[in-house]
Amino acid sequence: DVKVTQSSRYLVKRTGEKVFLECVQDMDHENMFWYRQDPGLGLRLIYFSYDVKMKEKGDIPEGYSVSREKKERFSLILESASTNQTSMYLCASRVTDGRANYGYTFGSGTRLTVV
Amino acid sequence: AQTVTQSQPEMSVQEAETVTLSCTYDTSESDYYLFWYKQPPSRQMILVIRQEAYKQQNATENRFSVNFQKAAKSFSLKISDSQLGDAAMYFCAYRRLQGAQKLVFGQGTRLTINP
Repeated sequence: DVKVTQSSRYLVKRTGEKVFLECVQDMDHENMFWYRQDPGLGLRLIYFSYDVKMKEKGDIPEGYSVSREKKERFSLILESASTNQTSMYLCASRVTDGRANYGYTFGSGTRLTVV
Repeated sequence: AQTVTQSQPEMSVQEAETVTLSCTYDTSESDYYLFWYKQPPSRQMILVIRQEAYKQQNATENRFSVNFQKAAKSFSLKISDSQLGDAAMYFCAYRRLQGAQKLVFGQGTRLTINP
């Protein structure tokens, strides 16, 4: 069974800390995504990656960066955590191909609280 | 930019009854994909149903069906014979056919099933 694993289910960090959220997939997918989920706002895209060392900004990249050194791992970095980054973070991946395959696999999310 | 709107933050239905969740979207593209995802308390996003815009026939998956109105840019989800296990957050999502593989999500609708 294919899996996307997020390293932490719950995380509490202090304001100003550098925070790393890790996501690993075992499906050899090229595309990986980081979303942020907030009540009333749905899921908003932070960053995505087409392949190793390739990344593109999503809709709300401010205050975040990403790293993809290996195909299976996509890390989200909060350079200096702030309270307004308290949220649920979801990672997803999918294979790049034509029309026939459009399946995304999601992780179970990391609920981050910044105090 | 594409947008997806779910105007019902919460819905409730009696067990075994039918409920319809609304979704509208805005795009200038003629070909695209639309999805409904379910997120139970476990947080795992589960694909419920998908629709390709070039297909006129509405998609159906067991008790789940959609009413896709392309001209009106409307994509509602109908759940028949509601079951307690259907209780979850439901997200409508859009994806372009070409270019970026990202999903654009609506705000979500929380569905409660009353026994």
